[in-house]
Amino acid sequence: AQTVTQSQPEMSVQEAETVTLSCTYDTSESNYYLFWYKQPPSRQMILVIRQEAYKQQNATENRFSVNFQKAAKSFSLKISDSQLGDTAMYFCAFILTGANNLFFGTGTRLTVIP
Amino acid sequence: NAGVTQTPKFRILKIGQSMTLQCTQDMNHNYMYWYRQDPGMGLKLIYYSVGAGITDKGEVPNGYNVSRSTTEDFPLRLELAAPSQTSVYFCASSDFSGTRGGELFFGEGSRLTVL
Repeated sequence: AQTVTQSQPEMSVQEAETVTLSCTYDTSESNYYLFWYKQPPSRQMILVIRQEAYKQQNATENRFSVNFQKAAKSFSLKISDSQLGDTAMYFCAFILTGANNLFFGTGTRLTVIP
Repeated sequence: NAGVTQTPKFRILKIGQSMTLQCTQDMNHNYMYWYRQDPGMGLKLIYYSVGAGITDKGEVPNGYNVSRSTTEDFPLRLELAAPSQTSVYFCASSDFSGTRGGELFFGEGSRLTVL
């Protein structure tokens, strides 16, 4: 069975600082995709960043980057220059290549403090 | 584009009542999904569809039914509502599934309370 674990239920960061959210996953497969989704207080979830498991290079999207460690099954999200609009729940998610079920972690609630 | 639209946003049901959560998308996506989100938990897949006329169960399908008569619409029906179905329900759609790691586009959610 595939599982996704986010061990930090809540985190906070000062505006303009950097924060890292942790995510680990468990699978015996080698081909999959990993995602970070953001759920702002308005509740509509949006994609932050995506990583293909076959790519060694870490994905980046502007202020968001990941540290993908395939052997360790770790997929952390780094947010640089944190902004008030980054306040949200962040979910790590995983899908096997060819599958239809996206597995989500339990989420990390991030608060950016002015 | 409206994206993924869910209705209603809020609903209170009595035990044993039935209702349908509506979901429609205007992106011509083949893949559609229903998830539920319980407090302190991640999202769990209820049902999904890979195209009109094709549906399949996810992790937690008991107590629910779906249909997909058109590409745009994917309603979720709750039969004989139970308190365990109190949750926030999210509909989502995608161009691709795990085959190409497609991004999911989510609706705003429907908060259902069963008393």
